Amino acid sequence: AQSVTQLGSHVSVSEGALVLLRCNYSSSVPPYLFWYVQYPNQGLQLLLKYTSAATLVKGINGFEAEFKKSETSFHLTKPSAHMSDAAEYFCAVSTSNTNAGKSTFGDGTTLTVKP
Amino acid sequence: GAVVSQHPSRVICKSGTSVKIECRSLDFQATTMFWYRQFPKQSLMLMATSNEGSKATYEQGVEKDKFLINHASLTLSTLTVTSAHPEDSSFYICSAARAGGGNEQFFGPGTRLTVL
Repeated sequence: AQSVTQLGSHVSVSEGALVLLRCNYSSSVPPYLFWYVQYPNQGLQLLLKYTSAATLVKGINGFEAEFKKSETSFHLTKPSAHMSDAAEYFCAVSTSNTNAGKSTFGDGTTLTVKP
Repeated sequence: GAVVSQHPSRVICKSGTSVKIECRSLDFQATTMFWYRQFPKQSLMLMATSNEGSKATYEQGVEKDKFLINHASLTLSTLTVTSAHPEDSSFYICSAARAGGGNEQFFGPGTRLTVL
């Protein structure tokens, strides 16, 4: 079984401030972990993914995430928020022993960026 | 690369009619496609997983006779909402995965279904 918990359904930061979106996972086998961004009325866009290589993963738009097995976490960060970062963010987990790509998604975190 | 399209992007229909939504992988072969439903301000709910040439696997609580899924080729999957009712109004999103893709899914832009 696998699950994802995103702590904080809403996060608000000022433009230029650090962005930290939290994600904890549960998996009985080594996981694949993903962060996606969704803008209103659009599909999901992959920001970055962890697939058992480097624990610090760099993604698009200046985002990065660190896989910490001991903490079962995969928090998403960005050093300096931009207004265009305002969106819904989803963390997802899947495992290699499931249907190719079948993922479990967190409930999402709405990021608001204040000018 | 790895582009997934959905058609239509928006559909409004009368209660009792059927609606078909297409999901296409434009530049890769999708061995597996997924269909999700998303309610406002909520996460994605997996409805079913479809593999090319075989029957879809539905998640618990999803009516397979109401949500017909066909994955006839490696680039096309369709979701048909039969006898749609207002409670079926939602945002439907498909995604596609390719063999050896490290479990990565590529998402379509979604279809907004409104049943009057």
